[in-house]
Amino acid sequence: GQQLNQSPQSMFIQEGEDVSMNCTSSSIFNTWLWYKQEPGEGPVLLIALYKAGELTSNGRLTAQFGITRKDSFLNISASIPSDVGIYFCAGQEYSGGGADGLTFGKGTHLIIQP
Amino acid sequence: DGGITQSPKYLFRKEGQNVTLSCEQNLNHDAMYWYRQDPGQGLRLIYYSQIVNDFQKGDIAEGYSVSREKKESFPLTVTSAQKNPTAFYLCASSHPGTGEMSYTFGSGTRLTVV
Repeated sequence: GQQLNQSPQSMFIQEGEDVSMNCTSSSIFNTWLWYKQEPGEGPVLLIALYKAGELTSNGRLTAQFGITRKDSFLNISASIPSDVGIYFCAGQEYSGGGADGLTFGKGTHLIIQP
Repeated sequence: DGGITQSPKYLFRKEGQNVTLSCEQNLNHDAMYWYRQDPGQGLRLIYYSQIVNDFQKGDIAEGYSVSREKKESFPLTVTSAQKNPTAFYLCASSHPGTGEMSYTFGSGTRLTVV
């Protein structure tokens, strides 16, 4: 099936630093979503993007739906210890995504050093 | 509050046994999904169901079975045919008809074979 390339795979940063991660696809998507997963829990939706070029913020988090419809990025400003976790991108292909809905990236593991 | 509930949180299975993981949602969502997550890995789709009494195989369905007798419930059975069942299992649901696709996840079940 469709693959999403999410990078980086992991990030080791200092508290207070800004974070940036992105996802790219080989086909056009009509939906981009960003989830956060904490250890031992299910992913929780952070930001949903449904229009090309859309820029949406949720507190210190900002995500954008790329103009080409083939990419999205997530930025976290002034990171704090509770930002630790795995961040997943997910998208639905413009064709309707097939019968199985969303395609997920492999995740970015964020580790914050105090 | 509406949500999706997985039980149990932790499950131990002896080799050769079948076990069933529960997933219940009260969000009135039509579609439900089962994913498997291994350490450092992304989410791999096991089975999905878009409507009651219908379900489809995902990417890694071998050794698993599901049923969808009620809209609210989508239990997953891990059979003895699954060679490496130790993993974190996530259930999700969505309402594809709204035009704004997103998944709501449960908090997961960690299955360990002993």
